[in-house]
Amino acid sequence: DQQVKQNSPSLSVQEGRISILNCDYTNSMFDYFLWYKKYPAEGPTFLISISSIKDKNEDGRFTVFLNKSAKHLSLHIVPSQPGDSAVYFCAASGSSGDKLTFGTGTRLAVRP
Amino acid sequence: EAGVAQSPRYKIIEKRQSVAFWCNPISGHATLYWYQQILGQGPKLLIQFQNNGVVDDSQLPKDRFSAERLKGVDSTLKIQPAKLEDSAVYLCASSLGGGVSYNEQFFGPGTRLTVL
Repeated sequence: DQQVKQNSPSLSVQEGRISILNCDYTNSMFDYFLWYKKYPAEGPTFLISISSIKDKNEDGRFTVFLNKSAKHLSLHIVPSQPGDSAVYFCAASGSSGDKLTFGTGTRLAVRP
Repeated sequence: EAGVAQSPRYKIIEKRQSVAFWCNPISGHATLYWYQQILGQGPKLLIQFQNNGVVDDSQLPKDRFSAERLKGVDSTLKIQPAKLEDSAVYLCASSLGGGVSYNEQFFGPGTRLTVL
């Protein structure tokens, strides 16, 4: 049972343009959502998060949007840079603790 | 501040052999996690410790996997005997814990295990 889904395994965008990564979830008990970025041979690193009481959180070039009614969140990167090329994981946590459930990841390639 | 340390970084063994992984979390972090990441999938939680007590081990295959966190700091994850399907990256993560409803998790570089 895949509770967190990232349906696009890969995405390619031109440098300077917007990258939009999508994530869907099925468990309505999730109330905290995170995006992690992973480079090859490294562990995931935290990027940005959002609580279920908000619908938007912004940090520099990164913005996460949450649509609770649709059980959907997205990560926007503007402008995209070649250094953003990595695998991005969506993760979710319930209110009972900090156990994370991860999606399968989307590989982003930013072309110079 | 030093990050989460893991060793070894790579390990190749034959099926039915045993293997152990080591993790040293960030100093002061009460909560420690072991994840298994199979190629093409997201990390899956195997076990979560709060200090030296187990919080969640519901997805740990207890017939072959074991983990301990003595003195509430370092942790070891052991597989005995290994199967082909255990080939994966084993990630250790830590967070402050302490009863806060959510804490950011910091990940180590992982150990890539290949079972032949």
